[in-house]
Amino acid sequence: AQKITQTQPGMFVQEKEAVTLDCTYDTSDQSYGLFWYKQPSSGEMIFLIYQGSYDEQNATEGRYSLNFQKARKSANLVISASQLGDSAMYFCAMGMPNTGNQFYFGTGTSLTVIP
Amino acid sequence: EAQVTQNPRYLITVTGKKLTVTCSQNMNHEYMSWYRQDPGLGLRQIYYSMNVEVTDKGDVPEGYKVSRKEKRNFPLILESPSPNQTSLYFCASSPLAGARGAFFGQGTRLTVV
Repeated sequence: AQKITQTQPGMFVQEKEAVTLDCTYDTSDQSYGLFWYKQPSSGEMIFLIYQGSYDEQNATEGRYSLNFQKARKSANLVISASQLGDSAMYFCAMGMPNTGNQFYFGTGTSLTVIP
Repeated sequence: EAQVTQNPRYLITVTGKKLTVTCSQNMNHEYMSWYRQDPGLGLRQIYYSMNVEVTDKGDVPEGYKVSRKEKRNFPLILESPSPNQTSLYFCASSPLAGARGAFFGQGTRLTVV
């Protein structure tokens, strides 16, 4: 069975500092994708970054980078130079292309950026 | 503009009164799914569909129905809502061979009293 684990219910970070949000996953499939979504207080789900299981380089999108450690089955999100607008809920998810692209989500981490 | 549209955004209803939450996407995606989001539980999949007339149960299907008569639409039906179905609901779509994640609707906040 597939599983995503986010062990940090809440995190605080000082503005302009970097922060790492943890995510571990469990699957026996060789082909999968790892995603991070941001959910601000308004409720919408915003796609941030994607890492494929066969990608050797860590994904980066602006201030977001994904620290992918395949052997440890971890896919941590690193946000550099935090901004007040980064305060939100963050979800890690895994997509399974071999089973019709089903997605599995973690329980989320609430990030608060302190001025 | 590529989007997934859910309606309504907010709904308060009474126990037992049938309701439908609509979901429509304009990206010609094969895969559509419904999730509910509850505090401390993340998003849990209710139903999904890999194409027209093909639907399957997710992790929490009890009390819900879906249909996929057209590729763009995937309504969620609660035949007899109960208070434990009070939640935030999301519809999402993605291509079957997608690598860029799911596109989400704006969410529907449902309260059953």
